[in-house]
Amino acid sequence: QVQLVESGGGLVRPGGSLRLSCVASGFSFSDFYMTWIRQAPGKGLEWVSYISSADGSKYYAESVKGRFTISRDNSKDSLHLQMDSLRVEDTAIYYCAKEGSTICSGGSCHPENFDSWGQGTLVTVSS
Amino acid sequence: QSVLTQPPSVSGAPGQRVTISCTGSSSNIGAAYDVHWYQQLPGTAPRLLIYGDDNRPSGVPDRFSGSKSGTSASLAITGLQAEDEAHYYCQSFDSSLSGPVFGGGTKLTVL
Repeated sequence: QVQLVESGGGLVRPGGSLRLSCVASGFSFSDFYMTWIRQAPGKGLEWVSYISSADGSKYYAESVKGRFTISRDNSKDSLHLQMDSLRVEDTAIYYCAKEGSTICSGGSCHPENFDSWGQGTLVTVSS
Repeated sequence: QSVLTQPPSVSGAPGQRVTISCTGSSSNIGAAYDVHWYQQLPGTAPRLLIYGDDNRPSGVPDRFSGSKSGTSASLAITGLQAEDEAHYYCQSFDSSLSGPVFGGGTKLTVL
C-alpha cells in the first residue's frame, strides 16, 4: 500500500532554514505529482508547493515563493522541501501528499486532489 | 481567510443526517472544477473522503456522499456515528490562483 514518511521538522529561529524530506513507497513515485501541504496549529489546510512528475515543473504558494524550494529524486523515491528565511507564521505540520488525479488548465497541469498523505512533520519557528 | 467557505461547526445526534456546505466563486467551483472532501480525525493526517464531486474511494462507507451546484458543494453524512466526529475540508482548483484551494474546515460533533 502507499506509504509516505516525512522527516526533518524541528525548532528553528526566525530567519533560519530547514530541509524536509518525504520517502515514498507502494507506488510508482516518478509517475505522480507530489505536493507539500501545511496546517498551522489549530488551523486549516494550506497548499505550499508541488512538483510535476514529468518535467519537474515547480509551483509555489505566494506565501512561500522565493523562500522555499521543492525538489524530488525519483531514483530514491523521495521528495524534499528546502525552507529558507523561515518566519513565525511558517509554524505548522507539513504533510507530503500524492496526487490522486491531474487537472490541466491554461496550458499547465496541476494535481487535482490528494489521495495519500504522510503523517506530517512539525516545524516550529520561534525565537 | 480561506478561498472556499465552510461553516466552522455542525453537529448531529447518532443516526441523524448532517450536511456541510462549501461555497466558492466563479474561479473555482463555479468554473466547474471538481470538489473533493477530506476527513481529518483528531491527531491524524487528512484522508480523501470524496473526489470528483460525488465519488468515494474504496473503503469509504456509502453513508458519505457529495454534491455540487453552481458555486457551492455539499457533503452529506447519513446514519451519523460517533467515529464520524472529525474535521472535514473541501478542496477545489482555482484558475485565478493556479493552484488547489481548501475550505477553512468544519468540525463535526456527534452529540
